[in-house]
Amino acid sequence: QVHLVESGGALVKPGRSLRLSCAASGFSFTDSDLTWVRQAPGQGLEWISYINGRGRTTSYADSVKGRFTISRDSARKTLYLQMNSLKVEDTAVYYCAREFAGYSRSGHETRYFDSWGQGTLVTVSS
Amino acid sequence: SYELTQPPSVSVSPGQTAIITCSGDALTKKYGYWYQQKSGQAPVLVVYEDDKRPSGTPERFSGSSSRSTVTLTIKGAQVEDEAVYSCYSTDNSGTQRLFGGGTKLTVV
Repeated sequence: QVHLVESGGALVKPGRSLRLSCAASGFSFTDSDLTWVRQAPGQGLEWISYINGRGRTTSYADSVKGRFTISRDSARKTLYLQMNSLKVEDTAVYYCAREFAGYSRSGHETRYFDSWGQGTLVTVSS
Repeated sequence: SYELTQPPSVSVSPGQTAIITCSGDALTKKYGYWYQQKSGQAPVLVVYEDDKRPSGTPERFSGSSSRSTVTLTIKGAQVEDEAVYSCYSTDNSGTQRLFGGGTKLTVV
């Protein structure tokens, strides 16, 4: 059974840094792509970062590019999100999710999040 | 930039059909997916690849696609279906992932 547990959320001041972790279990960690999604209070879901199973390919939303860094540790089966230069607008619940990637029966690429953690709250405020 | 547009809210009475749409250029070439998120909980996938139901999704949930719009239909909506429903897709390059703004479904 896939299990994802986020941690590291906290109250931090603008401009500071924070690192989130996501402990994974119940599936092949190195064969799975992972992602971070956040949700600001009362707002919709926002995808922010992706990393492939080997950790060699990453991508970021424009809103966090250059400030956030995604990484993973296969030995610890843990996903990370290093967040620097935090802004008030980064306040959100941060979810890690496993991303399924493959091809549908008709041969088209399919990619979606099939398992989610329960989230960790990051509050950026002075 | 690519965007996915949903109505902010939909309201139906129990037993009625709820229809939620999601529009965006990305959907002309990429699949649409639907997530259900109940208050205080993580999202749950209810439809994938436009019209497929994961195991565990009730049969009253269905998805469809036409050009740049995907639609989530809940036939005979129940009170427990009250949630925010968010569509999802990727851009043409597959590097950017997109969520719609979410639609709050009220069943009263």
